[in-house]
Amino acid sequence: LAKTTQPISMDSYEGQEVNITCSHNNIATNDYITWYQQFPSQGPRFIIQGYKTKVTNEVASLFIPADRKSSTLSLPRVSLSDTAVYYCLVGTQGGKLIFGQGTELSVKP
Amino acid sequence: DAEITQSPRHKITETGRQVTLACHQTWNHNNMFWYRQDLGHGLRLIHYSYGVQDTNKGEVSDGYSVSRSNTEDLPLTLESAASSQTSVYFCASSGQNSYNEQFFGPGTRLTVL
Repeated sequence: LAKTTQPISMDSYEGQEVNITCSHNNIATNDYITWYQQFPSQGPRFIIQGYKTKVTNEVASLFIPADRKSSTLSLPRVSLSDTAVYYCLVGTQGGKLIFGQGTELSVKP
Repeated sequence: DAEITQSPRHKITETGRQVTLACHQTWNHNNMFWYRQDLGHGLRLIHYSYGVQDTNKGEVSDGYSVSRSNTEDLPLTLESAASSQTSVYFCASSGQNSYNEQFFGPGTRLTVL
């Protein structure tokens, strides 16, 4: 399973765009990139998944360059409620998901 | 609405006792998973199941067991609880064609004294 590396923590202010980059140098051909969000005392929540190029949904965008060795989760115009831990995961469909330590995002007023 | 529930939400037990944590989902998902979360370790996979009668070990399965007798439930049993198993336990499920989109339960906080 590909190992992922992401910043331990990030700070931002309300209304800003936040980009969290994840490195996965050993990603395999069949691996997908998945991001989860976790609030304190809750289970993680699926945000977005992609294989290549760009994926966008109602809450975030995921940018994946051609070599797929990294990916960037983009959160537009964050609010205080976006303060959470964000996990980047790499794995095949049907395979096991391995959660790393995640990025603790703190949004300030 | 479909959901995934865990019980109990909080449990205090003593070393050496057998403990079973329940997980029930009404999504009709084939895939179910158990994780534990400890400070400094993120979530670690304990056991998982891809269908009835199917169970597989995750990365931290020692001291834990699961059984899958129906689609809805995947109970997690600690055969002989140890203090090192004090943790928050999360159950999750995912559909046949969306393995990576897992739906998580609210968690069970287990304390082993």
